[in-house]
Amino acid sequence: EFVLTQSPGTLSLSPGERATLSCRASQAVSDDYLAWYQQRPGRAPRLLIYGASSRATGIPDRFSGSGSGTDFTLTINRLEAEDFVVYYCQQYASAPPHTFGQGTRLEIK
Amino acid sequence: EVQLVESGGGLVQPGRSLRLSCAASGFTFDDYGMNWVRQAPGKGLEWVSRISWNSIIRNYADSVKGRFTISRDNAKNSVYLQMNSLRPDDTALYYCTKQMSTRGLGPFDKWGPGAMVTVSS
Repeated sequence: EFVLTQSPGTLSLSPGERATLSCRASQAVSDDYLAWYQQRPGRAPRLLIYGASSRATGIPDRFSGSGSGTDFTLTINRLEAEDFVVYYCQQYASAPPHTFGQGTRLEIK
Repeated sequence: EVQLVESGGGLVQPGRSLRLSCAASGFTFDDYGMNWVRQAPGKGLEWVSRISWNSIIRNYADSVKGRFTISRDNAKNSVYLQMNSLRPDDTALYYCTKQMSTRGLGPFDKWGPGAMVTVSS
C-alpha cells in the first residue's frame, strides 16, 4: 500500500518566517508525480505545486517545491497571514490510488 | 472560466444508495480525466475514484470498490458517482475534480465546492 507521510502534523511559525513542510513516500513516486495543495477553512483544496517543483497557475513564487524519489518538500517564504492553513501532498502516478498525505496544519505562533 | 458543480448529496440511511452528479463547464470536458475526492468532517482528503477521458479506465479506492461506480457523459459534460450499500463511514464532503493534463494523468487543478453526503439512521 502506497503511503504518504507528512511532517510535522502542525507547524507553528510567525508571519515573515519560512515554512518547510515534508512529505515522505513509502515507495518512489514515479516521474516525481507529486503535488501539493492548500486548503483554507470551508473551501475546496487549491493546487499549488505539481511535478514536485512546478508552480500552478497564479501561485506566488513564495511557494516552491523540491525533492524526488521518496522525499519531497514544500517551502513557503515570507509567510503571510493567509498562508496559515492546511497543506496536503498527493501522488498522481500511474497506479491509483492517488494517495494524499494526512496534512500539515500551519498555525500562527 | 472552469466550473465544476456537484449535486445529489443529502442524508441517506445505511445500506441505501445515492447518485452524485458533477456538471462541468468552461473547458473541453472530453479531453480530461475526472476524479472524486472525499473529506470526512474534520479529516483529511481521500481519493475515491477516477475515470479517464474516454471512460475506458476506471479506478477505485479499496474502501469503495464494489460499492461505488464512476461514469461520465461527455455529451452532457457531466461525471457521476453511483454510491450503493452506503455506510456511516462514507459520510463526507464529496469533491469533483478535474485532472490538469489532457488525456493522461495529472494533478487536480480544479475542484468543485463539494456535495455533502451523510449516512445515518
